[in-house]
Amino acid sequence: AQSVTQLDSHVSVSEGTPVLLRCNYSSSYSPSLFWYVQHPNKGLQLLLKYTSAATLVKGINGFEAEFKKSETSFHLTKPSAHMSDAAEYFCVVSVSSGTYKYIFGTGTRLKVLA
Amino acid sequence: KAGVTQTPRYLIKTRGQQVTLSCSPISGHRSVSWYQQTPGQGLQFLFEYFSETQRNKGNFPGRFSGRQFSNSRSEMNVSTLELGDSALYLCASSLGLNGETQYFGPGTRLLVL
Repeated sequence: AQSVTQLDSHVSVSEGTPVLLRCNYSSSYSPSLFWYVQHPNKGLQLLLKYTSAATLVKGINGFEAEFKKSETSFHLTKPSAHMSDAAEYFCVVSVSSGTYKYIFGTGTRLKVLA
Repeated sequence: KAGVTQTPRYLIKTRGQQVTLSCSPISGHRSVSWYQQTPGQGLQFLFEYFSETQRNKGNFPGRFSGRQFSNSRSEMNVSTLELGDSALYLCASSLGLNGETQYFGPGTRLLVL
């Protein structure tokens, strides 16, 4: 069965320090993987996506993620956190079982401390 | 290009009533998906429409229904509202059905009293 696991429900970092949000997936096929961000009372905004091209994917706002097939991981990183990065982040795998379906992780709430 | 729009943004209803939510996809997008987001259950897939046909359905009771119009705009309806239906309802559009990127609207916040 296809699934995605976000390993941390909450992450706190100080402003200016690196961010690491962890995501592991399970998929029988080559997956498409996405990271979305959701600010309070907002919809989801696409940060980046992996679709079997380069394994290191660069997204918006300085975020990037690396696809590691051997580890079935797609962790999201940013070198230096900004206060505006405080939000909830969702890792998503798109799988096909006849029809395509988005499977969401449970989310990681990022807190940025001044 | 305008993004996905959802109306209304906020809604308060009482138990037993019904509600209709609307979603206008990005121009040129033909697939519309609906999701329910609650603190307890997270993001759950409701259904997906393409070319006015429901192509995919999540595990929700029949009180939840939807439709899509020829211009790709979509509506979802919830009948006989229950307290547990209080949630943020998100609509997402994509070009088609081949796993393309989904772009989300701001959501409709429904409160059932």
